Amino acid sequence: DAKTTQPPSMDCAEGRAANLPCNHSTISGNEYVYWYRQIHSQGPQYIIHGLKNNETNEMASLIITEDRKSSTLILPHATLRDTAVYYCIVRAYTTSGTYKYIFGTGTRLKVLA
Amino acid sequence: EPEVTQTPSHQVTQMGQEVILRCVPISNHLYFYWYRQILGQKVEFLVSFYNNEISEKSEIFDDQFSVERPDGSNFTLKIRSTKLEDSAMYFCASSLGSGQGTVNEKLFFGSGTQLSVL
Repeated sequence: DAKTTQPPSMDCAEGRAANLPCNHSTISGNEYVYWYRQIHSQGPQYIIHGLKNNETNEMASLIITEDRKSSTLILPHATLRDTAVYYCIVRAYTTSGTYKYIFGTGTRLKVLA
Repeated sequence: EPEVTQTPSHQVTQMGQEVILRCVPISNHLYFYWYRQILGQKVEFLVSFYNNEISEKSEIFDDQFSVERPDGSNFTLKIRSTKLEDSAMYFCASSLGSGQGTVNEKLFFGSGTQLSVL
């Protein structure tokens, strides 16, 4: 299984962009990168995902390097409500024909007023 | 937006007792998962389930654990003889899934069941 490495914590000023890095150097060619976040102990919430092209949605942007060994989640204008643990996940396709989503240790983002 | 529903939100049990955690996945989803999160730790994969059988399971998912889809809507996790170290938040998740090439495939999580084993 591809593993992900993230910094354990980051701070960001409210209104500024939050850039959360993730290393996934063992990712395979057909494995997607997903980002989820978890606020307190709630269920993880989907943010965005991508394969090799940069992606943007209403919540965030995802920048994937050309070699696909790392990615960055960008929250363009962080608010206090974005304070959460952010997980970078590689979705692996298994021999049983299903997907497996393996969470890393995550980055605890604290948005400061 | 459709939701994954888990019951109960909190479950307290005595060591050695059996517990069943219940989940109602999103209605047209085909793939079902259980994850757990011990306090302060990361979210850990337990098991995935598709077409009425286990697809993948982790080392954590030993003989004390079992999953079942008893009808068309529920998905359950049973722990036969709970141990203190089973205390954790248990998350159910589901995805639409249609095999290879599902570009927009994503997991939807429930709000979890906090299991406390005393």
